[in-house]
Amino acid sequence: QKEVEQNSGPLSVPEGAIASLNCTYSDRGSQSFFWYRQYSGKSPELIMSIYSNGDKEDGRFTAQLNKASQYVSLLIRDSQPSDSATYLCAVRSGSARQLTFGSGTQLTVLP
Amino acid sequence: NAGVTQTPKFQVLKTGQSMTLQCAQDMNHNSMYWYRQDPGMGLRLIYYSASEGTTDKGEVPNGYNVSRLNKREFSLRLESAAPSQTSVYFCASTGKSLDEQYFGPGTRLTVT
Repeated sequence: QKEVEQNSGPLSVPEGAIASLNCTYSDRGSQSFFWYRQYSGKSPELIMSIYSNGDKEDGRFTAQLNKASQYVSLLIRDSQPSDSATYLCAVRSGSARQLTFGSGTQLTVLP
Repeated sequence: NAGVTQTPKFQVLKTGQSMTLQCAQDMNHNSMYWYRQDPGMGLRLIYYSASEGTTDKGEVPNGYNVSRLNKREFSLRLESAAPSQTSVYFCASTGKSLDEQYFGPGTRLTVT
Protein backbone atom coordinates (compact mmCIF):
# COMPACT_ATOMS: atom_id res chain seq x y z
CA GLN A 1 0.00 0.00 0.00
CA LYS A 2 1.40 3.34 -1.07
CA GLU A 3 2.09 5.61 1.87
CA VAL A 4 0.82 8.75 0.17
CA GLU A 5 -2.43 8.47 -1.77
CA GLN A 6 -3.92 10.90 -4.26
CA ASN A 7 -6.85 10.65 -6.63
CA SER A 8 -5.20 10.26 -10.01
CA GLY A 9 -7.96 12.14 -11.78
CA PRO A 10 -8.09 13.55 -14.29
CA LEU A 11 -9.86 16.44 -12.63
CA SER A 12 -11.46 19.02 -14.87
CA VAL A 13 -12.78 22.38 -13.69
CA PRO A 14 -14.01 25.42 -15.63
CA GLU A 15 -11.92 28.58 -15.67
CA GLY A 16 -12.61 30.71 -12.60
CA ALA A 17 -13.77 27.78 -10.45
CA ILE A 18 -12.13 26.36 -7.33
CA ALA A 19 -10.04 23.23 -7.87
CA SER A 20 -9.73 20.94 -4.86
CA LEU A 21 -6.93 18.38 -4.71
CA ASN A 22 -6.71 15.83 -1.93
CA CYS A 23 -4.00 13.69 -0.38
CA THR A 24 -3.93 11.18 2.48
CA TYR A 25 -0.88 9.70 4.17
CA SER A 26 -0.32 6.69 6.36
CA ASP A 27 2.64 7.64 8.60
CA ARG A 28 1.43 9.48 11.72
CA GLY A 29 5.02 10.64 12.31
CA SER A 30 4.89 12.80 9.20
CA GLN A 31 5.94 16.35 9.93
CA SER A 32 6.23 18.22 6.66
CA PHE A 33 3.86 18.37 3.70
CA PHE A 34 4.43 19.75 0.24
CA TRP A 35 2.56 20.35 -2.98
CA TYR A 36 4.54 20.27 -6.22
CA ARG A 37 3.26 21.26 -9.64
CA GLN A 38 4.53 19.46 -12.74
CA TYR A 39 3.74 20.64 -16.23
CA SER A 40 3.77 18.02 -18.97
CA GLY A 41 7.34 17.15 -19.94
CA LYS A 42 8.83 19.33 -17.21
CA SER A 43 10.26 18.79 -13.75
CA PRO A 44 8.31 19.28 -10.50
CA GLU A 45 8.38 22.66 -8.77
CA LEU A 46 7.35 23.45 -5.21
CA ILE A 47 4.25 25.61 -4.86
CA MET A 48 3.22 25.14 -1.21
CA SER A 49 4.57 23.73 2.02
CA ILE A 50 2.66 23.29 5.29
CA TYR A 51 3.76 22.04 8.69
CA SER A 52 0.94 22.86 11.16
CA ASN A 53 -2.72 21.98 11.29
CA GLY A 54 -4.98 24.49 9.60
CA ASP A 55 -4.83 26.57 6.46
CA LYS A 56 -1.94 28.30 4.75
CA GLU A 57 -2.68 30.75 1.96
CA ASP A 58 -0.38 32.00 -0.78
CA GLY A 59 -2.08 34.00 -3.49
CA ARG A 60 -4.68 31.82 -5.18
CA PHE A 61 -3.38 28.69 -3.44
CA THR A 62 -4.48 27.41 -0.02
CA ALA A 63 -3.01 24.32 1.61
CA GLN A 64 -5.02 22.64 4.35
CA LEU A 65 -3.61 20.14 6.86
CA ASN A 66 -5.45 17.89 9.30
CA LYS A 67 -2.97 15.63 11.08
CA ALA A 68 -5.65 13.82 13.08
CA SER A 69 -7.30 12.70 9.85
CA GLN A 70 -3.93 12.34 8.06
CA TYR A 71 -5.19 14.52 5.28
CA VAL A 72 -3.73 17.40 3.31
CA SER A 73 -5.42 19.30 0.52
CA LEU A 74 -4.70 22.05 -1.98
CA LEU A 75 -7.31 24.54 -3.11
CA ILE A 76 -6.75 26.65 -6.20
CA ARG A 77 -9.11 29.62 -6.38
CA ASP A 78 -10.01 31.36 -9.64
CA SER A 79 -8.46 28.52 -11.63
CA GLN A 80 -6.73 29.48 -14.84
CA PRO A 81 -5.86 27.36 -17.91
CA SER A 82 -2.21 27.89 -16.93
CA ASP A 83 -2.93 25.87 -13.76
CA SER A 84 -3.43 22.77 -15.91
CA ALA A 85 -0.74 20.39 -14.69
CA THR A 86 -0.15 17.36 -12.50
CA TYR A 87 -0.06 18.15 -8.79
CA LEU A 88 2.10 15.95 -6.58
CA CYS A 89 1.64 15.64 -2.84
CA ALA A 90 4.83 14.89 -0.88
CA VAL A 91 5.37 14.04 2.77
CA ARG A 92 8.46 14.00 4.98
CA SER A 93 8.48 11.97 8.19
CA GLY A 94 10.28 13.21 11.28
CA SER A 95 13.94 13.85 10.69
CA ALA A 96 14.03 11.84 7.47
CA ARG A 97 15.87 13.49 4.61
CA GLN A 98 13.72 11.96 1.92
CA LEU A 99 10.22 12.73 0.68
CA THR A 100 7.52 10.25 -0.21
CA PHE A 101 5.45 11.34 -3.19
CA GLY A 102 1.92 10.47 -4.17
CA SER A 103 1.20 9.42 -7.72
CA GLY A 104 -0.19 12.85 -8.61
CA THR A 105 -3.52 14.33 -9.70
CA GLN A 106 -3.84 15.62 -13.24
CA LEU A 107 -5.78 18.89 -13.34
CA THR A 108 -7.25 20.43 -16.47
CA VAL A 109 -8.76 23.92 -16.34
CA LEU A 110 -11.15 24.41 -19.22
CA PRO A 111 -11.35 27.89 -20.82
CA ASN B 1 23.30 30.09 -11.20
CA ALA B 2 22.12 27.04 -13.18
CA GLY B 3 20.46 25.23 -10.26
CA VAL B 4 20.37 21.47 -10.90
CA THR B 5 21.67 20.21 -14.24
CA GLN B 6 21.40 16.72 -15.69
CA THR B 7 23.02 15.02 -18.65
CA PRO B 8 22.05 13.57 -21.01
CA LYS B 9 18.48 14.78 -21.70
CA PHE B 10 17.60 11.70 -23.77
CA GLN B 11 19.17 8.27 -24.09
CA VAL B 12 18.30 5.02 -25.84
CA LEU B 13 20.06 1.86 -24.66
CA LYS B 14 19.92 -1.75 -25.67
CA THR B 15 19.29 -4.37 -23.00
CA GLY B 16 22.52 -5.16 -21.18
CA GLN B 17 24.28 -1.90 -21.98
CA SER B 18 25.55 0.34 -19.20
CA MET B 19 25.46 4.07 -18.75
CA THR B 20 25.90 6.81 -16.17
CA LEU B 21 23.49 9.68 -15.63
CA GLN B 22 25.19 12.81 -14.40
CA CYS B 23 23.78 15.40 -12.01
CA ALA B 24 25.32 18.59 -10.65
CA GLN B 25 24.02 21.42 -8.46
CA ASP B 26 25.53 24.83 -7.81
CA MET B 27 23.45 25.78 -4.75
CA ASN B 28 25.88 24.39 -2.15
CA HIS B 29 23.24 21.85 -1.08
CA ASN B 30 24.17 18.96 1.17
CA SER B 31 21.49 16.46 0.14
CA MET B 32 20.97 15.08 -3.33
CA TYR B 33 18.47 12.55 -4.69
CA TRP B 34 17.75 10.36 -7.69
CA TYR B 35 14.12 9.57 -8.60
CA ARG B 36 12.45 7.72 -11.40
CA GLN B 37 9.00 8.65 -12.68
CA ASP B 38 6.75 6.21 -14.50
CA PRO B 39 3.21 6.89 -15.73
CA GLY B 40 0.73 6.70 -12.86
CA MET B 41 3.47 5.98 -10.31
CA GLY B 42 4.56 9.42 -9.20
CA LEU B 43 8.18 9.90 -8.18
CA ARG B 44 9.96 6.96 -6.61
CA LEU B 45 13.25 7.44 -4.78
CA ILE B 46 16.14 5.32 -6.07
CA TYR B 47 19.04 6.55 -3.92
CA TYR B 48 19.91 9.63 -1.97
CA SER B 49 22.98 11.22 -0.45
CA ALA B 50 22.69 13.22 2.76
CA SER B 51 26.20 14.60 2.42
CA GLU B 52 29.42 14.16 0.50
CA GLY B 53 30.69 10.62 1.00
CA THR B 54 27.39 9.06 2.09
CA THR B 55 24.69 7.32 0.09
CA ASP B 56 21.53 5.46 1.09
CA LYS B 57 19.02 3.27 -0.70
CA GLY B 58 15.56 4.54 -1.43
CA GLU B 59 12.41 2.72 -2.42
CA VAL B 60 13.64 1.17 -5.70
CA PRO B 61 17.46 0.75 -5.66
CA ASN B 62 17.78 -2.60 -7.44
CA GLY B 63 19.73 -2.39 -10.70
CA TYR B 64 21.31 0.97 -9.87
CA ASN B 65 24.46 2.29 -8.25
CA VAL B 66 25.35 5.84 -7.25
CA SER B 67 28.41 7.91 -6.54
CA ARG B 68 28.57 11.18 -4.63
CA LEU B 69 31.69 12.43 -6.33
CA ASN B 70 31.86 15.68 -4.36
CA LYS B 71 29.39 18.12 -2.87
CA ARG B 72 28.22 19.27 -6.30
CA GLU B 73 27.91 16.00 -8.21
CA PHE B 74 25.82 12.86 -7.77
CA SER B 75 25.81 10.24 -10.52
CA LEU B 76 23.51 7.28 -11.16
CA ARG B 77 24.83 4.19 -12.96
CA LEU B 78 22.93 1.43 -14.70
CA GLU B 79 25.35 -1.51 -14.98
CA SER B 80 23.18 -3.72 -17.18
CA ALA B 81 20.12 -1.91 -18.47
CA ALA B 82 16.76 -3.70 -18.61
CA PRO B 83 13.51 -2.65 -20.36
CA SER B 84 11.96 -2.19 -16.88
CA GLN B 85 14.36 0.71 -16.37
CA THR B 86 12.71 2.69 -19.16
CA SER B 87 11.63 5.82 -17.33
CA VAL B 88 12.21 9.50 -16.74
CA TYR B 89 14.98 10.09 -14.20
CA PHE B 90 15.09 13.21 -12.07
CA CYS B 91 17.90 14.44 -9.86
CA ALA B 92 17.08 16.81 -6.99
CA SER B 93 18.89 18.61 -4.22
CA THR B 94 17.95 20.33 -0.99
CA GLY B 95 19.63 22.53 1.55
CA LYS B 96 19.98 22.21 5.33
CA SER B 97 16.32 23.08 5.96
CA LEU B 98 15.26 20.00 3.94
CA ASP B 99 12.30 22.04 2.76
CA GLU B 100 12.27 22.66 -0.94
CA GLN B 101 13.74 20.05 -3.24
CA TYR B 102 15.01 21.57 -6.46
CA PHE B 103 14.72 19.30 -9.47
CA GLY B 104 16.81 19.00 -12.58
CA PRO B 105 15.19 18.89 -16.05
CA GLY B 106 15.18 15.09 -16.20
CA THR B 107 16.66 12.36 -18.41
CA ARG B 108 14.34 10.35 -20.62
CA LEU B 109 15.76 6.84 -20.89
CA THR B 110 14.46 4.12 -23.16
CA VAL B 111 15.83 0.58 -22.95
CA THR B 112 14.98 -1.65 -25.90
